[in-house]
Order: sequence, then C-alpha cells, then structure tokens
Amino acid sequence: DIQMTQSPSSLSASVGDRVTITCRASQSIRSYLNWYQQKPGKAPKLLIYTASSLQSGVPSRFSGSGSGTDFTLTISSLQPEDFATYYCQQSYSNPRTFGQGTKVEIK
Amino acid sequence: QVQLQESGPGLVKPSQTLSLTCTVSGGSISSGSYYWNWIRQPAGKGLEWIGRFYTSGSTNYNPSLKSRVTISVDTSKNQFSLKLSSVTAADTAVYYCAREMGIAASIDYWGQGTLVTVSS
Repeated sequence: DIQMTQSPSSLSASVGDRVTITCRASQSIRSYLNWYQQKPGKAPKLLIYTASSLQSGVPSRFSGSGSGTDFTLTISSLQPEDFATYYCQQSYSNPRTFGQGTKVEIK
Repeated sequence: QVQLQESGPGLVKPSQTLSLTCTVSGGSISSGSYYWNWIRQPAGKGLEWIGRFYTSGSTNYNPSLKSRVTISVDTSKNQFSLKLSSVTAADTAVYYCAREMGIAASIDYWGQGTLVTVSS
C-alpha cells in the first residue's frame, strides 16, 4: 500500500493568513493526488484533483502543486468557512489511501 | 446533479454481516466512466477506502478487508451495495458511498454518510 503522510497534523491560523499543507507519498504517484475538505458531521468535499486542477465551484484561493512524492495544498487567504480538516488521497493505485488529515483551527 | 444516499441498519451485532445500500439519483449507475466506492470513517479518525466497482462489472477491494467485503450492483434500481461480514467493534464507523471520476480518479460526489455501530 502507498502511505500518505500529511504535515502538520493541525495548525492554528487567522483569517487572511496564507496556509500551506504538505502531503508526502511513500512512492511516486505521478500527479494522482487529490485534496478534500471535511467539516464536522459532513462528507468530504473535493477541492483539487490530479495535484493541481481546481474542482468546479471551488474558490480560487485554493491551489495545489507537486508531483511524484511531494505535494502541497495552499490557501492563499484563509476565510472563516475554511476552518476544517483537509485530507490528501492518492488515486495512483489500489488500495486508495488517504493522509491522516490536517485540522485547520482558528487562532 | 448526481446525488447518493446510503441506507441500512444503524446497529449490527458482532459477528454478523453489515449491509448497506447506496441509491444514486441524477444519473445512471451503469453509464459513463465512473467507479462507485465505499469509504468509511471511525469517529474522530481518518478515511479508509473499502472498495469500488466499475460500470464494466469489475471490482477492487482493500486487501485489509477483502476477505470480508462484497460490493454488488443492482442497475434496475440504480443502487450499489456493501456487505461486510464477521463485524467487530472496530468496524463501527460512518460509511460513505461515493462516485469516482474515471479519468481524473478523484471522488467528486459523496453521500451524506451513515453511522453503523457494531454492538451487542
């Protein structure tokens, strides 16, 4: 199985801050990396697919980059509705695997 | 707009079989290049992929659960189902059904999730 490791596990930030979350794969997954946002009691929501493509309807303050084993999700200016948990997921091979999540909290 | 809705018992006894159904609306389950997935999330923990089937009929399962999992489809009802046998307390989780885009291989539609508790 491909292991996905996110860092940090949690962070505190203020509205307007630039936030960066990293995800590392245990082997190359090319660009088969997706990012999801999950709010308490809700299903995850797709933000970024294939490492850097913005899902329709997702604000442009979200962006993704990377390939191979190292990936980044960036929120350029954190908004109140962005406080949530973020997961990366590899879709290069089965079994699909997710990172452990990064909880973004209000400072 | 595609919508997915999980249904099934919220309480299952240890050693029994967990059975859930996902009803898809807004699109046919047998058309397009989509994979139909089951994913679960224990309370306060991360996401675990259970398995999926493709419209061609092929299935993929997580090896950690493969011996206990069956995913099947009923195209006449536009539904797909999950069966997980010999459950224990460790199988207590919110279970999600979800659609994976074939080309981008990302999950673009999720059900709201259903909590299944394994307890006697």
